[in-house]
Amino acid sequence: DAKTTQPPSMDCAEGRAANLPCNHSTISGNEYVYWYRQIHSQGPQYIIHGLKNNETNEMASLIITEDRKSSTLILPHATLRDTAVYYCIVRGYSGGGADGLTFGKGTHLIIQP
Amino acid sequence: NAGVTQTPKFQVLKTGQSMTLQCAQDMNHEYMSWYRQDPGMGLRLIHYSVGAGITDQGEVPNGYNVSRSTTEDFPLRLLSAAPSQTSVYFCASSRTLMGIKLTGANVLTFGAGSRLTVL
Repeated sequence: DAKTTQPPSMDCAEGRAANLPCNHSTISGNEYVYWYRQIHSQGPQYIIHGLKNNETNEMASLIITEDRKSSTLILPHATLRDTAVYYCIVRGYSGGGADGLTFGKGTHLIIQP
Repeated sequence: NAGVTQTPKFQVLKTGQSMTLQCAQDMNHEYMSWYRQDPGMGLRLIHYSVGAGITDQGEVPNGYNVSRSTTEDFPLRLLSAAPSQTSVYFCASSRTLMGIKLTGANVLTFGAGSRLTVL
């Protein structure tokens, strides 16, 4: 699996868009980009995933650069409840859910009131 | 639809004691797995299962046993607890490989966690 690099922490004002970057310069053609988050003391929660195209769901948007070497998770209107550790994970589908996803240290996003 | 249920939420053990962390899912997921989370370490995979009767080791399997007699349940056993096993344990499940292959959605559903302290 490709390695990912994320900033250890970020701040964002409540109501503003939170943009979380992720670098995955060694990503290969069949690897997806996944984002999960973990709110304090809870289990991780799936947010969104993508392969090449930008994706949007009710939680967030995922912007993947054309060369796929980096991506940005966007929380359009951050609230205090979005304070969490956000994990960017790159994984090929062939791994499935069987042998797990590699969760690094992620980005601790703090939403300021 | 309860998702992934873990019990107990908290447990204190003495060194050498044994115990089982329970995990149950009601989503008919074939894949189930156990992770541990230590401060500053992220989540590390302990064991996983691709279906009933099939288990395999993850990154940190030593000191833990698992079995998968049903699709729904995937218990994690500590045979002789050690202080190094003090951690928060998460169980997770996901759907079939074919579903993942079709959509690329490697969506793991996690339980709420079990906090274990070994004295």
